[in-house]
Amino acid sequence: DTGVSQDPRHKITKRGQNVTFRCDPISEHNRLYWYRQTLGQGPEFLTYFQNEAQLEKSRLLSDRFSAERPKGSFSTLEIQRTEQGDSAMYLCASSPTGSKNIQYFGAGTRLSVL
Amino acid sequence: AQSVTQLGSHVSVSEGALVLLRCNYSSSVPPYLFWYVQYPNQGLQLLLKYTSAATLVKGINGFEAEFKKSETSFHLTKPSAHMSDAAEYFCAVSEGAAGNKLTFGGGTRVLVKP
Repeated sequence: DTGVSQDPRHKITKRGQNVTFRCDPISEHNRLYWYRQTLGQGPEFLTYFQNEAQLEKSRLLSDRFSAERPKGSFSTLEIQRTEQGDSAMYLCASSPTGSKNIQYFGAGTRLSVL
Repeated sequence: AQSVTQLGSHVSVSEGALVLLRCNYSSSVPPYLFWYVQYPNQGLQLLLKYTSAATLVKGINGFEAEFKKSETSFHLTKPSAHMSDAAEYFCAVSEGAAGNKLTFGGGTRVLVKP
C-alpha cells in the first residue's frame, strides 16, 4: 500500500495556459475524489468517480475544468485557460467500497497561476 | 445540505496542556464525522472517525472525540499537548452511507508553546 500519489507536487503557470494534474489512488480503491483547497480554507469538493464513472460534480467545477478516470485507475484533472483565481492546492483522495466514506488523501498539487 | 463549523481558526496551547478543538455540524441524515490533520505542504491524514458505532472515538496520537447528537457536536480533545501536535486540524461530515463527498470546516491551526 503506497498511498495516494499526485503529480506534479508543484506547478507554476501563466494565466491562460492549460495544466493537467495526475492522481494515482491506492490500489483497488474504486472511489476517487478531487478537492480544491485555497489558502486558509478547508478543502472543497470538486468531483467524484466510482470506477470510471464520474458520478458527481460540484458547481465549483466550471466548464474550464475537466476530470477523467478512463480505466478506473488513475485520474487526471485538467484546467483550461487558467486564471489567477485557480491558484490553490488540488487534493486527490481515494476510498474503497464499504469503507463508510473513509477517504485517504494524497499530498496534493499546488498550482500557482501568474 | 451538510455543513461544518469549527469555532476558532487559531488555538494556542502550552505543551502538556489540554487541547480542545470545537466542531459543530449540520446534516439532514445521520452523519459520518471525521477529523483530519494537515502538516505544512502535506495532504490530510485521518485522525479519527465516527461512523454510527461508539459515540466516544479514539484516534491516533492520543486524540479522541465525542459525538453528541443533541448538541450536533464532534469536539476533538487530547489530554496533553506535544510540540508535534502543531498543525492544522479539519473536521468533516459525510451524509451517512449514501453520501460520498466530505464537507470540511474552515480548519483550526494549533500552536503549541514550550
